[in-house]
Amino acid sequence: GQQLNQSPQSMFIQEGEDVSMNCTSSSIFNTWLWYKQEPGEGPVLLIALYKAGELTSNGRLTAQFGITRKDSFLNISASIPSDVGIYFCAGRQMNRDDKIIFGKGTRLHILP
Amino acid sequence: DAEITQSPRHKITETGRQVTLACHQTWNHNNMFWYRQDLGHGLRLIHYSYGVQDTNKGEVSDGYSVSRSNTEDLPLTLESAASSQTSVYFCAHQVFCSNQPQHFGDGTRLSIL
Repeated sequence: GQQLNQSPQSMFIQEGEDVSMNCTSSSIFNTWLWYKQEPGEGPVLLIALYKAGELTSNGRLTAQFGITRKDSFLNISASIPSDVGIYFCAGRQMNRDDKIIFGKGTRLHILP
Repeated sequence: DAEITQSPRHKITETGRQVTLACHQTWNHNNMFWYRQDLGHGLRLIHYSYGVQDTNKGEVSDGYSVSRSNTEDLPLTLESAASSQTSVYFCAHQVFCSNQPQHFGDGTRLSIL
């Protein structure tokens, strides 16, 4: 089936640093979603993107819908300890039904 | 407030037993989904439903079944549990026929011994 390639798989950063992660595919998407999952909980939606080139912020988080429609990026500025978790990208393809494909996640660790 | 709840949160059972995981949402949304989450695989779609009496197979449907007798509930049944089905299971809901995001429950951790 179709895959989303999410990178990096994990990150170790210092508190206060900025974080960047991305998601790519060989297919075109019309929706990109970014979720965060904390231990013992389900994924929680952070940002939804619907148009190529769209740049959307949610507090310190900013996500972009790539111009080619085949990728998306998530940035976190000035990381804090509560940013720890797994970040998932997800996308809905053009001309497909409501099913969404998920990346395998980026696990963010923040060093004290 | 509308919500989505999964039960039980944790379950341990033996191979060969039938197991049913519950998912209940009060959003009145037509679309509901079941995923399993395993290390190295992310979230994989098991079954999904677009409304009452509608069910569809996902990427990893073998050994699982669902039924949709009302809008609120989509129970997931493992007919004969296997150790390979040890996983964390998530239910999600979505507004009908749109590109809106899916929203998830808190999951059920299932261990099959």
